[in-house]
Amino acid sequence: GQQVMQIPQYQHVQEGEDFTTYCNSSTTLSNIQWYKQRPGGHPVFLIQLVKSGEVKKQKRLTFQFGEAKKNSSLHITATQTTDVGTYFCAVNTGNQFYFGTGTSLTVIP
Amino acid sequence: DAMVIQNPRYQVTQFGKPVTLSCSQTLNHNVMYWYQQKSSQAPKLLFHYYDKDFNNEADTPDNFQSRRPNTSFCFLDIRSPGLGDAAMYLCATSRGEGMGQPQHFGDGTRLSIL
Repeated sequence: GQQVMQIPQYQHVQEGEDFTTYCNSSTTLSNIQWYKQRPGGHPVFLIQLVKSGEVKKQKRLTFQFGEAKKNSSLHITATQTTDVGTYFCAVNTGNQFYFGTGTSLTVIP
Repeated sequence: DAMVIQNPRYQVTQFGKPVTLSCSQTLNHNVMYWYQQKSSQAPKLLFHYYDKDFNNEADTPDNFQSRRPNTSFCFLDIRSPGLGDAAMYLCATSRGEGMGQPQHFGDGTRLSIL
């Protein structure tokens, strides 16, 4: 089946450092969603990107959709311990739903 | 608060003994999903309902069945659980209209197989 790869798989950062996760697809995506899953928790919707080259910000989080709509990134500025968790990109076309492989973020105080 | 509720949070069953996991929602969403999530992996979609229309993923084992008696409730039945079925099972909902509606997840049921 279709797969969306995320890199890195794991990331350890010192509190205050920046963090970026990348989501890559071999096919053009109609949209991309981002979810955060805290340890022991469930995925929580963060944002959706639809347009080519779209950039959206939520406080310290910046989300970007590539011009070719085959990749996306999530960047966190000045990480905090509350940012710990696994970040998943996801594709939801209305008929197809699949998550990326995820990036697990650890923030060292 | 409107939400997605899964019961129970933890379920233990014996190898081969049928088990049913429950999900209810107060969001009145058209679409309900069941995912399986194993440790350190992404959630894997098993199937979803768009209203009463059932949509099974191609690689979902026949061992897994689902029922949606009404808008609010959806059940996951595992007919003969094997050790490989031990996982977290997540229920989610979304509005049906349009593409790319956010999914709202329940807290999950963690299934253990003895």
